Amino acid sequence: GEDVEQSLFLSVREGDSSVINCTYTDSSSTYLYWYKQEPGAGLQLLTYIFSNMDMKQDQRLTVLLNKKDKHLSLRIADTQTGDSAIYFCAERRGGYGQNFVFGPGTRLSVLP
Amino acid sequence: EAQVTQNPRYLITVTGKKLTVTCSQNMNHEYMSWYRQDPGLGLRQIYYSMNVEVTDKGDVPEGYKVSRKEKRNFPLILESPSPNQTSLYFCASSSWTSRGRNTEAFFGQGTRLTVV
Repeated sequence: GEDVEQSLFLSVREGDSSVINCTYTDSSSTYLYWYKQEPGAGLQLLTYIFSNMDMKQDQRLTVLLNKKDKHLSLRIADTQTGDSAIYFCAERRGGYGQNFVFGPGTRLSVLP
Repeated sequence: EAQVTQNPRYLITVTGKKLTVTCSQNMNHEYMSWYRQDPGLGLRQIYYSMNVEVTDKGDVPEGYKVSRKEKRNFPLILESPSPNQTSLYFCASSSWTSRGRNTEAFFGQGTRLTVV
């Protein structure tokens, strides 16, 4: 279909790893993004990956991209209570286009 | 400081009373867009603008209008709001990029609109 898909909820214990999954739709998407939305705030870019990469690591964040299956994941190591938020996967479709298409968001709850 | 500013942050209005939500960016970005966020649906694009005087419909344009008379401003207009337009609205801006060069979308803080 046309939608970017994510599971809606994820709960983890503080200190564990969180893995948020996403499937996207457009094989020509050049960049894929993870945005974080904290309560009452706008979206902030967490990280992104170029489509010719399989993995990108940035401190506690690891992004894995399986282009064949159009599957993107975000792993947060040593999850903290401050990581509780909604995480949006997004793809930027087209070469010169600026059309960001977002998933429904995964609400991550970190339990003490 | 680079930012996208929306106003107001919160708005309660009555059905049929015209309203405008303003959006302004200070990054000289060409591209601006409006999204609405509803539970379980993520962000859906309402309208976008690729530059001054160039606007086009997104996925859910019905009931909305926009204008882009200046590069920095992109107001969202609801001529006759209805309760199904109760939502959280985000404005975003980004710069044009050539293939292979990344750009991110910068978001405003959001406008929570309630139509009664």
